[in-house]
Amino acid sequence: EVQLVESGGGLVQPGGSLRLSCAASGFSFSSYSMNWVRQAPGKGLEWVSYISSTSRATIFYADSVKGRFTISRDNAKNSLYLQMNSLRDEDTGVYFCATETLVRGVMDYWGQGTLVTVSS
Amino acid sequence: EVLMTQSPATLSVSPGERVTLSCRAGQSVSNYLAWYQQKVGQAPRLLIYGASTRATGIPARFSGGGSGTEFTLTISSLQSEDFAVYYCQQYNKWPRGTFGQGTKVEIK
Repeated sequence: EVQLVESGGGLVQPGGSLRLSCAASGFSFSSYSMNWVRQAPGKGLEWVSYISSTSRATIFYADSVKGRFTISRDNAKNSLYLQMNSLRDEDTGVYFCATETLVRGVMDYWGQGTLVTVSS
Repeated sequence: EVLMTQSPATLSVSPGERVTLSCRAGQSVSNYLAWYQQKVGQAPRLLIYGASTRATGIPARFSGGGSGTEFTLTISSLQSEDFAVYYCQQYNKWPRGTFGQGTKVEIK
């Protein structure tokens, strides 16, 4: 059974940093691309970042987080990460990790999410 | 960025009814369109991809249609477990897939 478990969320002041983790199991993690998607309270879904499966990973970011967030992965640990710096109020929300095992761009497995709250 | 617009924002439906949700793209996305279901406090669940292909384990009462800029998700006979928020997502402009704002299907 595919499992994605996020952790690392919490309350942080504006300008602060957090590192999110996503632990994967039940599938060949190293073979698949991964994404971070977020959801502000009561709002819709917003794609945040993408990393390919390869060791020389291809990486993309949404314009809203470019230069502040860094995605990475450790295939030996079956883990995905999101380093979030210079956090803003508008970064508040639930952060989901999601994988693409079917078709590029289609997120077929999702974690339960971790809540990030940016507030003073 | 491709703007995705879903309508209506909320649908009040009785169990057993047929429901059709709409999703419009600001430009053609061919058939690179997915639908997700999200229940309160849960992660999104993939229902449909390629505009009309059901994901593994998705009941046949869910069907998707359309291409280009106009898409629909139809639930042929609404079950109690189907009350949720539904999102469409284009992935034609990969990796910057954009989601619609969601349609909430609630009990009438």
